[in-house]
Amino acid sequence: LAKTTQPISMDSYEGQEVNITCSHNNIATNDYITWYQQFPSQGPRFIIQGYKTKVTNEVASLFIPADRKSSTLSLPRVSLSDTAVYYCLVGDVGSNYQLIWGAGTKLIIKP
Amino acid sequence: DSGVTQTPKHLITATGQRVTLRCSPRSGDLSVYWYQQSLDQGLQFLIQYYNGEERAKGNILERFSAQQFPDLHSELNLSSLELGDSALYFCASSPSPDLGRLQETQYFGPGTRLLVL
Repeated sequence: LAKTTQPISMDSYEGQEVNITCSHNNIATNDYITWYQQFPSQGPRFIIQGYKTKVTNEVASLFIPADRKSSTLSLPRVSLSDTAVYYCLVGDVGSNYQLIWGAGTKLIIKP
Repeated sequence: DSGVTQTPKHLITATGQRVTLRCSPRSGDLSVYWYQQSLDQGLQFLIQYYNGEERAKGNILERFSAQQFPDLHSELNLSSLELGDSALYFCASSPSPDLGRLQETQYFGPGTRLLVL
């Protein structure tokens, strides 16, 4: 099965840029890498998705190197409301397709 | 509001009992996913259905089962409940068509909080 590794927690301050990296091996070569955000007692919410290189939307950027063994979620100029848990999601390379979620990174933004 | 609804919001039951959790996907979505999230833990993928058929299976216990009905709503049945089954259960849906191994954006419901006493 594919495996993912994310930092358990991170702290930062308002206005800073935050980068969260997920390491993943044995992922499906033809599948996306996706990041989700989750607030307490709520369902996760889609942030961004990519396949290779760099993807940017209105809330984040996603950097994926050519070997696709990691991905980095970049949140520009964070605010207190960005305090949440962030998950990476990849597809497994095995014959039975499975979704593999990272354990999540708890991001705490301080004033 | 993601457009995915789950009922009930809260459920309290006793060990050994059986419960059914219900999920209605977003209008037009054919895939439904079920997840378990224990207190302060990550998401555990349980099972996915696509247009009524089981598509992918994760760490779902044999005591748990699910199905997707012709109207596309889904039910997750949990039986012989144990204290360790206490968790938040999320349902998510994603749009059609089934693109094979490519992930689709998942839209999560608000969850059902299950407490087994």
